[in-house]
Amino acid sequence: AQSVTQLGSHVSVSEGALVLLRCNYSSSVPPYLFWYVQYPNQGLQLLLKYTSAATLVKGINGFEAEFKKSETSFHLTKPSAHMSDAAEYFCAVSSYTGGFKTIFGAGTRLFVKA
Amino acid sequence: NAGVTQTPKFRVLKTGQSMTLLCAQDMNHEYMYWYRQDPGMGLRLIHYSVGEGTTAKGEVPDGYNVSRLKKQNFLLGLESAAPSQTSVYFCASSSAISSYNEQFFGPGTRLTVL
Repeated sequence: AQSVTQLGSHVSVSEGALVLLRCNYSSSVPPYLFWYVQYPNQGLQLLLKYTSAATLVKGINGFEAEFKKSETSFHLTKPSAHMSDAAEYFCAVSSYTGGFKTIFGAGTRLFVKA
Repeated sequence: NAGVTQTPKFRVLKTGQSMTLLCAQDMNHEYMYWYRQDPGMGLRLIHYSVGEGTTAKGEVPDGYNVSRLKKQNFLLGLESAAPSQTSVYFCASSSAISSYNEQFFGPGTRLTVL
């Protein structure tokens, strides 16, 4: 069985500060992990993905995430927040067990203060 | 290359009315999905399809029906709308060739049932 937990439904940071959005997962088989971003009134866009190649994954807009198997975590970070980063972020886990199944977290809304 | 498109963008229904949401993709993807997004609950899978002429139930299928008569289209139907179906609906697609099931999302349909 798979599950995804995003810690914190809302995160607020100041412009220029570190962004850290937390995601923990559970999966009975090796997972693929994703972060998607949703800007207001838009669909989800892929930010980055972990596909077992490298544990530190770099995505678009300066975001990166590190896969830590021992902690079952895939936290999203960005060194310096920009106002344009304000959005909702979803962590997702996908695994293949006879067919793909993808589970999304509840989402974390990021607020960036000037 | 439009990606994934959804029609309509907004709709207001009265309880008991029916409607069909249309999803179209031009990426020749085999897999298509319908999700609903509700505050604090992330995305929940309603139905999905792994190919033309095939559909399957997801996590929350009750009250919805789907059809995939053409590879590029995936229709979501509400036969008798209920206020609990007020939500934002997202369609997504993915390639069967992909080894990790990256999904591509449409812009969403905001449905209100009065």
